[in-house]
Amino acid sequence: EVQLVESGGGLVQPGGSLKLSCATSGFTFRDSTMHWVRQASGKGLEWVGRIREKAYNYATAYGASVKGRFTIYRDDSKKTAYLQMNSLISEDTAVYYCTDDFYWGQGTLVTVSS
Amino acid sequence: QSVLTQPPSASGTPGQRVTISCSGNSSNIGSNWVYWYQQFPGTAPKLLIYRSYQRPSGVPDRFSGSKSGTSASLAISGLRSEEEADYYCAVWDDSLTAWVFGGGTKLTVL
Repeated sequence: EVQLVESGGGLVQPGGSLKLSCATSGFTFRDSTMHWVRQASGKGLEWVGRIREKAYNYATAYGASVKGRFTIYRDDSKKTAYLQMNSLISEDTAVYYCTDDFYWGQGTLVTVSS
Repeated sequence: QSVLTQPPSASGTPGQRVTISCSGNSSNIGSNWVYWYQQFPGTAPKLLIYRSYQRPSGVPDRFSGSKSGTSASLAISGLRSEEEADYYCAVWDDSLTAWVFGGGTKLTVL
């Protein structure tokens, strides 16, 4: 059974940092491009960024609204992807999902508020 | 303003066939595979169509995807009340170097 489990969400003050994790099982993680996608309450899906697999030198790409503030990395030995979020602003408040574009995790809620 | 344009709403009666469109450009739909996702309130998206036309195992063949030029469509035949949900198209955009989503279509089963 394929599983993607996000963790690390919570309440953080504006300007703060948070690291999300996406632990996976049931598929060949090392050969998969991993994406982070977020969804603010009542809004649509917004792509945050992605990290490719080793064959593509773990290349990353980011959405315009998070570029320079967020970093995606992965640990293939742990089958886990990470999203490091810095300089958080209220507009980053959302449920964050990880996905390989086929399977999705259940999401973790990040709330940026003072 | 989404890069991909979807109608905000669509509706149909049980048993009817409905289609949801997704309009893009040559940098996204025109040159890459389209994905379609179904999302119920409070839950994660679920893949319905990948590589523009392919259905994952477990997705009924009542769901079908098509693509022509810079537009794509999701068709649902034999509509069921439990398919009332939000539907999103997604595709990689070569110019933006980004995965882009449509704004979503809320499907109502009357």
